[in-house]
Amino acid sequence: GENVEQHPSTLSVQEGDSAVIKCTYSDSASNYFPWYKQELGKGPQLIIDIRSNVGEKKDQRIAVTLNKTAKHFSLHITETQPEDSAVYFCAAPMNRDDKIIFGKGTRLHILP
Amino acid sequence: DAGVIQSPRHEVTEMGQEVTLRCKPISGHNSLFWYRQTMMRGLELLIYFNNNVPIDDSGMPEDRFSAKMPNASFSTLKIQPSEPRDSAVYFCASSWGTGAYEQYFGPGTRLTVT
Repeated sequence: GENVEQHPSTLSVQEGDSAVIKCTYSDSASNYFPWYKQELGKGPQLIIDIRSNVGEKKDQRIAVTLNKTAKHFSLHITETQPEDSAVYFCAAPMNRDDKIIFGKGTRLHILP
Repeated sequence: DAGVIQSPRHEVTEMGQEVTLRCKPISGHNSLFWYRQTMMRGLELLIYFNNNVPIDDSGMPEDRFSAKMPNASFSTLKIQPSEPRDSAVYFCASSWGTGAYEQYFGPGTRLTVT
């Protein structure tokens, strides 16, 4: 079955700098890769996703890159701000898009 | 739209008691997912429904857990009897389809079993 590895588990970044979180997956048939952000006391919320027909997708300060050959994808946050502090989860589908498996999460701290 | 609604938001119960968690998905969504979140195991999928039918319950820990979806606007997750190791935050999420679509999560139910 699908296995999703996420690194690092914790990341501290100075405000204004960039943050990068990486994930690897095992199922080569996977073709949908979402990233969720979870703020304290709330449920996860989708912030960006990418399908395997593209290698990169951007939305303002957030971008996701996908390398299908290496089976890894990354979340890039530029010009980080205090409100970016949260836990971020990557995910990948298993069973041909039937359900998604989440990574263990990365706790991002934006330092003032 | 009100989003996914879960109740209760917090539940404290004693070991051996029955616990029922409730979820109202977003109107029009045809898939519903129940997740459990703990520090040790992260976000685990317990069961999901498509068009009110359970599709995959392989994540349900054991027979003490059961889930139902009697109609498109309501689902329950029941634990009977509850144990301290069931303490976690339980999330319900809904979407337009199964895995490869955005899932909208509710605020979660924090369950504490003493």
